Amino acid sequence: DIQMTQSPSTLSASVGDRVTITCRASQSISTWLAWYQQKPGKAPKLLIYKASILETGVPSRFSGSGSGTEFTLTISSLQPDDFATYYCQQFSSYSQTFGQGTKVEIK
Amino acid sequence: EVQLMESGGGLVQPGGSLRLSCATSGFTFSTYWMSWVRQTPGKGLEWVANIKKDGSEKYYVDSVKGRFTISRDNAKNSLSLQMNSLRAEDTAVYYCARNRGYTNSFFIDHWGQGTLVTVSS
Repeated sequence: DIQMTQSPSTLSASVGDRVTITCRASQSISTWLAWYQQKPGKAPKLLIYKASILETGVPSRFSGSGSGTEFTLTISSLQPDDFATYYCQQFSSYSQTFGQGTKVEIK
Repeated sequence: EVQLMESGGGLVQPGGSLRLSCATSGFTFSTYWMSWVRQTPGKGLEWVANIKKDGSEKYYVDSVKGRFTISRDNAKNSLSLQMNSLRAEDTAVYYCARNRGYTNSFFIDHWGQGTLVTVSS
């Protein structure tokens, strides 16, 4: 099974900061990676798929990059609505695996 | 508007059974792969099962193989998850999810609100 490891687990930042979250796969997954945002008590929301394609309606301050085993999610200027938990997910096969999540909290 | 609405969660004893349902609307159900994903505070998000558009292919995470069965009724636009021989570690919020993507590779573009399953004596 492909394991996904996110870092950091928790990130403290201020409004306006540039934020970067890293996701590493235990083996190459090409660009079969998605990023989700989840707020307390809510379902996850798709932000990015195929490593760098922004889902319709997602603000352009979110961007994704990477291929193979290392990927990043970047928020160019953190907004109050962005404080949440972020998950990466590999979908290189019929099965899917999620990272353990990165909580972005207010500094 | 795409809508996914789970039902059927609740408290069940270890070894018991439960059937989750997901009613969908706002899209052509029969043209999408569908999934169940669960979430626990300790283990985070875990994909549980996938089912092909016509129900002819099904895939499961190893921990539920032989105990859980995913199914769909395209005439009723509904997805189900039959869960047998439930264990404490199956306790989670279960999400119904719509898949989108490529030939053999799917991400999730819409999620239901989730239904809580608690396995405890």
